[in-house]
Amino acid sequence: AQSVSQHNHHVILSEAASLELGCNYSYGGTVNLFWYVQYPGQHLQLLLKYFSGDPLVKGIKGFEAEFIKSKFSFNLRKPSVQWSDTAEYFCAVNEGGNDMRFGAGTRLTVKP
Amino acid sequence: SQTIHQWPATLVQPVGSPLSLECTVEGTSNPNLYWYRQAAGRGLQLLFYSVGIGQISSEVPQNLSASRPQDRQFILSSKKLLLSDSGFYLCAWSVSSGLNEQFFGPGTRLTVL
Repeated sequence: AQSVSQHNHHVILSEAASLELGCNYSYGGTVNLFWYVQYPGQHLQLLLKYFSGDPLVKGIKGFEAEFIKSKFSFNLRKPSVQWSDTAEYFCAVNEGGNDMRFGAGTRLTVKP
Repeated sequence: SQTIHQWPATLVQPVGSPLSLECTVEGTSNPNLYWYRQAAGRGLQLLFYSVGIGQISSEVPQNLSASRPQDRQFILSSKKLLLSDSGFYLCAWSVSSGLNEQFFGPGTRLTVL
């Protein structure tokens, strides 16, 4: 069974710092990749997704992620974080069926 | 537009008591429905999913069960709760499997004492 690893459990940054959250998965076939975000007190919502095509995916709120097939990675990036980006971020992988596998999540704290 | 509801929002139950959590979706037909448990530091664990009325697939053998009595209703149940059932339970739906994102409900915080 595939697994999803998020390397950082808690990341603390100052505003305007650059962000990169790691995500690696174990499945070697065709995958669909997602990043979800959960702001304090809010529903889990989609940031961005990759199915095929350009491996650099742009999402909402200035986030982007790059799919590197050879590294089984889908890292999330943002050039300059804001205090409002404080949230928990989840990477998820799906092989095309009903089984969406989530990583353990990374808690991001942005200090004003 | 589509919306997803879960209730109750919070629940405190004694060990050995039954459980029923409800999830309903509005604004779509024949959705795929999912139950997840979110534990701190462990991400989301898929518990059950359903592709249609009466069709339930279980991902993890446990003390819980799920039912789908109507197209847009998904229920998570237990006959006797365990302490280890405490957690945050999320319901989600998708238009179809795989190529579409899942949309999540607000969740239910369950505490078993």
